[in-house]
Amino acid sequence: ILNVEQSPQSLHVQEGDSTNFTCSFPSSNFYALHWYRWETAKSPEALFVMTLNGDEKKKGRISATLNTKEGYSYLYIKGSQPEDSATYLCAFFTDKLIFGTGTRLQVFP
Amino acid sequence: DGGITQSPKYLFRKEGQNVTLSCEQNLNHDAMYWYRQDPGQGLRLIYYSQIVNDFQKGDIAEGYSVSREKKESFPLTVTSAQKNPTAFYLCASSISSVLEVNEQFFGPGTRLTVL
Repeated sequence: ILNVEQSPQSLHVQEGDSTNFTCSFPSSNFYALHWYRWETAKSPEALFVMTLNGDEKKKGRISATLNTKEGYSYLYIKGSQPEDSATYLCAFFTDKLIFGTGTRLQVFP
Repeated sequence: DGGITQSPKYLFRKEGQNVTLSCEQNLNHDAMYWYRQDPGQGLRLIYYSQIVNDFQKGDIAEGYSVSREKKESFPLTVTSAQKNPTAFYLCASSISSVLEVNEQFFGPGTRLTVL
């Protein structure tokens, strides 16, 4: 059974703090790793789709790195803002997406 | 506006009844998916469809059925055979299910409660 693990489960930070979370996935038969942001009362939205070892992607203050050989990806948020509060999901692609349980981030003003 | 709609937002069902959750997309996507979310668990795949008139079981298909008669629509029926149907259900679509780089687009979800 393929397992995707995310840590921490939840995170509370002050506005302006930078933060990061981890997604661990099987290192064999890698195709792609997806990151999604899921705000309360909204639909999950794609942040990044990463396919290459060493890949680094950035969208505004959010960036992600990928290490396929050791099976992990980091998501960084620089200078967190209250609007960054959401659950961040990663998903490992085999023939379908396998989701982790997510990291719930709360940013306090 | 292109997107995915799910209805209803909240659904209550008596034990032993079948119920159908609606999912419609106007993104012209070939692939559509149904996921289930339970507290403390990741999204789990129920069924997916790569093309009209074709669908495959996901990881937790027992007690569910789907149809894909039109490209835009992928309704999910929760049957009385589903032992624990109370959950949050998300529908999603992507351009194709084959390519790993295709992000999925999600609907707003339906919360089903069995009374």
